[in-house]
Amino acid sequence: EPEVTQTPSHQVTQMGQEVILRCVPISNHLYFYWYRQILGQKVEFLVSFYNNEISEKSEIFDDQFSVERPDGSNFTLKIRSTKLEDSAMYFCASSEQGAGNIQYFGAGTRLSVL
Amino acid sequence: RKEVEQDPGPFNVPEGATVAFNCTYSNSASQSFFWYRQDCRKEPKLLMSVYSSGNEDGRFTAQLNRASQYISLLIRDSKLSDSATYLCVVTDNYGQNFVFGPGTRLSVLP
Repeated sequence: EPEVTQTPSHQVTQMGQEVILRCVPISNHLYFYWYRQILGQKVEFLVSFYNNEISEKSEIFDDQFSVERPDGSNFTLKIRSTKLEDSAMYFCASSEQGAGNIQYFGAGTRLSVL
Repeated sequence: RKEVEQDPGPFNVPEGATVAFNCTYSNSASQSFFWYRQDCRKEPKLLMSVYSSGNEDGRFTAQLNRASQYISLLIRDSKLSDSATYLCVVTDNYGQNFVFGPGTRLSVLP
């Protein structure tokens, strides 16, 4: 069964460092997403991406965040200068179509900012 | 008012019990509705989509009331493997991005 894969599974970084979280969406999917979940809290939308550009972004997704699809398979989330409050589980998701379509989630990257 | 609200839980039920989860959403423009389940420290996984006419998948039944902006999930004959957090999900104004509820944790006890 096709799946969304994310690497690394756990990333530990120092405050102020840049991190790149990587995702390989399901191959025939066209819409890509990043969500985050702070420990003990709900899953929150960060950004959606379609046709090589951002479709929508939440207020969480400030100038410290960026996304990129550097090649035909990878979809990355970059945090330029990490803060303690960026510590969370980051989930990548993809869907075949956009509105109303089922989203399939990767296993997540746990980011720990020290 | 929070966008998506769910029963606070946790629900602790014996095997074989029937359990119902409730969810309300504030955005009347939401068009699509889902139940996902999330095991501890794992990703959300689709349980079922929720349709206006209501739908059933084995032991699981979902209902949607658009007028009341209310969604429900019923689990019959609960199994130990049903233990998880159940997430109510609606789409935002753009119809694409997911808005998650806080989840309701279920523990099915032997």
